Amino acid sequence: EPEVTQTPSHQVTQMGQEVILRCVPISNHLYFYWYRQILGQKVEFLVSFYNNEISEKSEIFDDQFSVERPDGSNFTLKIRSTKLEDSAMYFCASSLVAGETQYFGPGTRLLVL
Amino acid sequence: DAKTTQPPSMDCAEGRAANLPCNHSTISGNEYVYWYRQIHSQGPQYIIHGLKNNETNEMASLIITEDRKSSTLILPHATLRDTAVYYCIVKGLYGGSNYKLTFGKGTLLTVNP
Repeated sequence: EPEVTQTPSHQVTQMGQEVILRCVPISNHLYFYWYRQILGQKVEFLVSFYNNEISEKSEIFDDQFSVERPDGSNFTLKIRSTKLEDSAMYFCASSLVAGETQYFGPGTRLLVL
Repeated sequence: DAKTTQPPSMDCAEGRAANLPCNHSTISGNEYVYWYRQIHSQGPQYIIHGLKNNETNEMASLIITEDRKSSTLILPHATLRDTAVYYCIVKGLYGGSNYKLTFGKGTLLTVNP
């Protein structure tokens, strides 16, 4: 069964460093998403992406964040200058078309020291 | 998106049916009811969704009341591996902020041996 994959599973970085989280969505899906979950808190929407453009973004997704689909398979989330409060689980998701069921990856646990 | 209300926690005996309720009294006509679950800190796992008819798949059944103001997710024979946080999410398909899933706190279902 097709699934969303994410790498790395864990990432430890120093405050102020740049990190790139990678995702491989389900192959025929066209919409891609990033969510995050700070420890003990709700899963929060960050951004959705379609046709090489951001479709929607939340207030959390400020100028420190960017997304890219650098090739036909990967979808990345970059945090330019990490802060302590960026420590969280980051989940990638994809859906066939807008509004359809979203399928999530296993997540990347980011720890900013 | 309409808001949902779920009990914070429930217990269920292994092998018995688990019935998880959700209230969504402000749901509008084109909004679907989605159920996801999250086992520990893994990525949210899609379970089932429906509009107004009852739905069943290999994981669960979804019963939606006739007025669509509430629904119940049924796990027919709960196992220890079904221990998770279950999220009921109302989401439209077309227009507005239909790209994102808005997660609440969900119901922590604990299946006991």
